[in-house]
Parts: sequence; structure tokens; C-alpha cells
Amino acid sequence: RKEVEQDPGPFNVPEGATVAFNCTYSNSASQSFFWYRQDCRKEPKLLMSVYSSGNEDGRFTAQLNRASQYISLLIRDSKLSDSATYLCVALTDSWGKFQFGAGTQVVVTP
Amino acid sequence: DAGVTQSPTHLIKTRGQHVTLRCSPISGHKSVSWYQQVLGQGPQFIFQYYEKEERGRGNFPDRFSARQFPNYSSELNVNALLLGDSALYLCASSLLQFSYEQYFGPGTRLTVT
Repeated sequence: RKEVEQDPGPFNVPEGATVAFNCTYSNSASQSFFWYRQDCRKEPKLLMSVYSSGNEDGRFTAQLNRASQYISLLIRDSKLSDSATYLCVALTDSWGKFQFGAGTQVVVTP
Repeated sequence: DAGVTQSPTHLIKTRGQHVTLRCSPISGHKSVSWYQQVLGQGPQFIFQYYEKEERGRGNFPDRFSARQFPNYSSELNVNALLLGDSALYLCASSLLQFSYEQYFGPGTRLTVT
């Protein structure tokens, strides 16, 4: 079983709509979590960290559920520019080893 | 400020050859991590270096090695290349060893024929 699992999608979303997707992690000792965004054939870029209490950054909201071992990302008022692959990351070791999921593809359509 | 830089951008090698990939972290960042990303998958952790010492290693064979220089730049070396080594190799830098935010370079796309 992979340490971090994501629904690969694609999630096809009309412009202006809301989309949400989850990521599950298997290591209960995971300490920190992040969402990265990756455009086609580009490097991953940090979108946001995920805090225990949940956090929001503009149109993006991240939640952490430690009891069920998943994190979620919600995108409101989707823009065409939100089309990308969203990578879930769990930090499983104190020295900074990132475990990436395979990514969830989001396609926002006009 | 300059971000993480990597060279070369693209590389084509044949099986059995050796390759060296280079990374310069963001100025002031002391930690460099290397990842391999195969098409359709998330990045897989290879190494982390901090203050010129290896601090972590992923599940990769001994054909993969790396080092970090006094200026915090880093090299990833892969010997005896296999077709399966074809991937995007990403370098990420962070301020400290335990800094949780990593910033990625554009990657080196390696094709092994």
C-alpha cells in the first residue's frame, strides 16, 4: 500500500464551480501535510500547508482529519488557471522526507 | 531572488552510461533534496543533504549517489543507467534541515535509450 494515496481524476469542473478532493495517508506518525500544484511538465509549487485546525488561502481551503487519516483540498470559484495536478504531501520523518501522492488532476472548463 | 536552478534542462544518455545532474539552491538555503518523478507519478524521494552531509536516503539502488558542496550546491550521480531511470529529476531546497517548506527547481529531464 502506498503511503499517500490520491484519486487521480480527472475532475472536470465548470468555471466558477467548487471542487473538492481528498488524500489519504497510511503513516499515523506523519507530522505535517502540504498541497503542491504541478502544471504539465513543470516543477511542483507549494500551494499551501495544512494545519490541524484547517486553513484557508483565498479560494483554497485545506482540512486535516487525523482520526481518519486524510487531508482535503477545496477550490471555490474555479478559474481556468486552476487546471493542474494537485499533489498531496505528508512529512513522515523529522529530517524532512516528503512522501508525495501521485496527484489529482483538475481540469476547469469554460 | 533567484529560485532553485538545475542543469542541464534535458539530457539523453544510453544504457550503461553515467550522468551527473547539478542543482543550486535558493540563496541562504542549506538543505537540498533530490527526487525522481516518473510520468504519471508523484516525485519519489532519493536523497536529502544538509550542511554537506547526507541526512536521508530513499529506496534507490547504490547506483545513485549525491554530494553537497561548501556553497550548498549539489550533484546527483547515476551510474550504469537503465531504461527505467528515464524521468524528471527534481531538486528542492529548504532553509534548514527541518524546514518544512521545500521549493523545487525546474528539473532535469533524463531520457535513457
